[in-house]
Order: sequence, then C-alpha cells, then structure tokens
Amino acid sequence: SQKIEQNSEALNIQEGKTATLTCNYTNYSPAYLQWYRQDPGRGPVFLLLIRENEKEKRKERLKVTFDTTLKQSLFHITASQPADSATYLCALDIHNQGGKLIFGQGTELSVKP
Amino acid sequence: DSGVTQTPKHLITATGQRVTLRCSPRSGDLSVYWYQQSLDQGLQFLIQYYNGEERAKGNILERFSAQQFPDLHSELNLSSLELGDSALYFCASSVRQGGNTIYFGEGSWLTVV
Repeated sequence: SQKIEQNSEALNIQEGKTATLTCNYTNYSPAYLQWYRQDPGRGPVFLLLIRENEKEKRKERLKVTFDTTLKQSLFHITASQPADSATYLCALDIHNQGGKLIFGQGTELSVKP
Repeated sequence: DSGVTQTPKHLITATGQRVTLRCSPRSGDLSVYWYQQSLDQGLQFLIQYYNGEERAKGNILERFSAQQFPDLHSELNLSSLELGDSALYFCASSVRQGGNTIYFGEGSWLTVV
C-alpha cells in the first residue's frame, strides 16, 4: 500500500541545536517533494520544494535532502529558535496527478529556550 | 496572508444539514484544491479543479461536491452532514498543475452537532 511516514513522536530540542525531521514514503513515485509548516488552527505554509533529480536544497536556515533510492527526505533546521516550534508536513507531488499534494501526518517540533 | 480567502471561518450546524464553503484563490491562480483535516486523519486531499474543470479526486464522499466557477472561485458543498464530518476544511490554490507552491487559506472550521 502507499504510505507517507514522518517521525511519529514529537521532537523536542534545545534552542540553537539542529532539528532533523524525516519523511519516508513507499509505493509512490514523486516528481517533487515539498515541506510545509503548520501552526495550530492555521493553514499550512510552504517552506521548500525539491525535485526528484535534486539531492539537496537550502533556504536560509533550512535544508532538505531527497533520496529517491531510499525513498526518504530529511528536513533540517539549523540554529533552531523557539519560533520554529510548529508542525512540519512533508508532501508528495506525484507524476501525472495534476499537482495535488499527498501529505504525511506531520511532525510536531518544540524548541525550548 | 497567503492571498487565499475562505468563508465562513467557523460554522456550527446540525446533523443532516447542508453547508457550502467558499474559496477565493490567489489572484492569477487557476488551480484550486480542497483538503479536509481532522485530528485522527491528518490533511486529506478531497478534490482539485483547474480553470473550471475537475482535475483530480481524492477520497471525497458522495455527499460532498465541489465546483469552480468562471471567476475561478470555488465552493465545496457538504450535505447530509454527520458528526464525523466535523473538521477543518482548507482551500488552496496554485498557478498551474504540478511542481509549484500551493498556497493555503486559513480554513473553515465545521462543527456538526
């Protein structure tokens, strides 16, 4: 069956450390993989998009890697801040599916001062 | 502010009733997506329209229907409501289909009592 799995447990880290979130998928062939941030009761906000032929993408303190052989993406937040506390969602954009995104359940990140 | 507008923000209705959720996409976006988010199901794709035509369908119940109008706004109609339909309903939009950022609205909270 098709699945997208993110860290099931909430991630608690200390301010200044690097947070690493995992997204694994099975039986999908994504053309793109995206990461979104969602705060409680709010709509998801786009963070990064990486194509199937890209290995790594960076934006300020964010870095995402994409390994289509392992069927895994890692999302890193360096020098984390309490304001980074939120739920982070990975989403797959599948070939020839019109651009709809299939989302994982999300990982809740808490950054303590 | 993503530029995607959803109304109403909150709605409480009784079982068996019918409601309509409305979405105005970002200016220039042709693609509209509807998602349902409940605590136990995560963010579930319902349906997508592109320039007035249905492009992709997810696990949308037969009691639910949607359309996109010539001015590109969209409506999601939910009928014969059940308690389990209580959720946050998001509309999102994008310029094209596939490989692009999807912008989410702030959602419509539906509570069925």
